[in-house]
Amino acid sequence: SQTIHQWPATLVQPVGSPLSLECTVEGTSNPNLYWYRQAAGRGLQLLFYSVGIGQISSEVPQNLSASRPQDRQFILSSKKLLLSDSGFYLCAWKDGSGANVLTFGAGSRLTVL
Amino acid sequence: TQLLEQSPQFLSIQEGENLTVYCNSSSVFSSLQWYRQEPGEGPVLLVTVVTGGEVKKLKRLTFQFGDARKDSSLHITAAQPGDTGLYLCAGARGGSNYKLTFGKGTLLTVNP
Repeated sequence: SQTIHQWPATLVQPVGSPLSLECTVEGTSNPNLYWYRQAAGRGLQLLFYSVGIGQISSEVPQNLSASRPQDRQFILSSKKLLLSDSGFYLCAWKDGSGANVLTFGAGSRLTVL
Repeated sequence: TQLLEQSPQFLSIQEGENLTVYCNSSSVFSSLQWYRQEPGEGPVLLVTVVTGGEVKKLKRLTFQFGDARKDSSLHITAAQPGDTGLYLCAGARGGSNYKLTFGKGTLLTVNP
């Protein structure tokens, strides 16, 4: 069966520090991968998505970047965090050629102080 | 501009009551999904509706997709405290670059 792992679950970082959130998927190959951000427990905003290794599409201009160094690994990064980067970050995957259903990870809560 | 508008934003009801939440858009979607999210967790898919006018039932939950595939509703019968959570609708545009656009959600609280 397929599983998705996200870490760390909780992170408190000072303004100006770097960020790295990691997401891995098991039990599938060539998935579509996504990073969403959720502010104040409300709707999800799509940040990045990837349909293959090294292929990253950015949805909104921001202080963040994403990379996909391996087929089932998706990383969200920042060189210098801003207060506005605080939020709940969710990784999700979809079978690249299968049903149009997203499966989400448990999320990473980032607080920038 | 919010592509998907959900209403109401907040809903607090007593156990046993019925409720309906709505998801509306001016855009046509190839499919629409409903998720439930509990605090500190990722959203979990409840249902996908694809065909205009489609009705799907999941125990006490009834989902309907509008004839024009621009809107959807979720009706819960005899709500229970376990139904408490954030209900999100999401519209899909399909294609190889598959992306979901989410509404802001309806935060439901069912009081015992």
